[in-house]
Parts: sequence; structure tokens; C-alpha cells
Amino acid sequence: DGGITQSPKYLFRKEGQNVTLSCEQNLNHDAMYWYRQDPGQGLRLIYYSQIVNDFQKGDIAEGYSVSREKKESFPLTVTSAQKNPTAFYLCASSIGGDTGELFFGEGSRLTVL
Amino acid sequence: SQQGEEDPQALSIQEGENATMNCSYKTSINNLQWYRQNSGRGLVHLILIRSNEREKHSGRLRVTLDTSKKSSSLLITASRAADTASYFCATRAQKLVFGQGTRLTINP
Repeated sequence: DGGITQSPKYLFRKEGQNVTLSCEQNLNHDAMYWYRQDPGQGLRLIYYSQIVNDFQKGDIAEGYSVSREKKESFPLTVTSAQKNPTAFYLCASSIGGDTGELFFGEGSRLTVL
Repeated sequence: SQQGEEDPQALSIQEGENATMNCSYKTSINNLQWYRQNSGRGLVHLILIRSNEREKHSGRLRVTLDTSKKSSSLLITASRAADTASYFCATRAQKLVFGQGTRLTINP
């Protein structure tokens, strides 16, 4: 079945460590996105990519990094520079352009100990 | 900011009743989308309404859009316990921007 897969579902990290969240899609979508969700809040855009080998900062990119070396993959690294990294991270993809719906993964919950 | 704001923040109704959620936004948009999120899960797209449309239906869902008032509503008719979730509106101009959501609880 086509879909978008995030891993791991749960992740614990010590302060000062970098961690990478995986996002893979087999929908042949051009665009991919990373959002952060805090308890009881909406989604905030971290980074997005409209095409392979290109990506743009979203509203809260500080302390995060991404790469888009393959169309199906868009990993997110949460660096030690991110001051408050504990959150629920959601990856999404879309066909592209400025009209399409987003397809979401099941999310990764990161807890910093 | 063009961020949508949902109202109410939380809604609790009895099974079988209708549920109405509202979304207001600030700037011109290309389209408005509604998503559903079950607790601890990803979001699922429900319906998209374009800026030149006023009403759209999908099963038990009815969405309206009033661009003059910069507002939208989502109506779920004949609610079921399985409709319990958070519902988010998202407005699309250059980017898709999400509101903070309405937590809907359907009591059996």
C-alpha cells in the first residue's frame, strides 16, 4: 500500500545529543514537510521541500536540519541547538504545487531526558 | 499571520447530535482544508474547499466557506463515538498553515 512512514515512533534523547527522525514515502510525491506539534497545539512548519535536492526553512527551523537526497526520503535532524526539542513530530507529503492535500505519517514522539 | 483559529477549542456532545466547528483566518487564501487527528496519531485529510466555492459535502461532513467574513465551518451530522478526535482547519496561500484545533468528544 502507498503511504508515508515515520520512524521511530518513540525516541528518548539526552540533552546535548543530536537525533535523526526518518520519513519515507512511496506515493511518488514531489513535496515533503516536517511539522512540530506541542500538546494541545496546532502544527508548526519546520522545513519543507518542493523537489529533490532543494528545501526551505519553515517558521521554526532553528535547531533543526534536513536533507532531500532522494525523492522518497526527507530525514529531520534535531540538533543540540534546539532548546526545547520534546514534541510530537509529523512528516507529510503532497503532490506539489499550491493546492494539494497533505498525507501524514503517524508521527514520532521525541522526549529529551 | 493567516493562521486559522478554531472555535470552540473543545466540544462535547451526545452521540447522534450534530457537531459544528468554526474556523476564522486573516488573509486571502487559495483554499481551506479540514483535517482530523486521533489522539497520538497523524492527521487525515477530510475535505478541501476552494476560495471560489461556498459549500461542499462529503458523506456526513458539510463545509462552508465565507470569504467575505474569512470564516469556515465544519458540520458533522449524526455524530458517532468514532468521530471523537481533534479537528484542524488549514488555510493555503503560499504555505499551508494550521490552526490550533477543536477537540471533539462524542459521548455514547
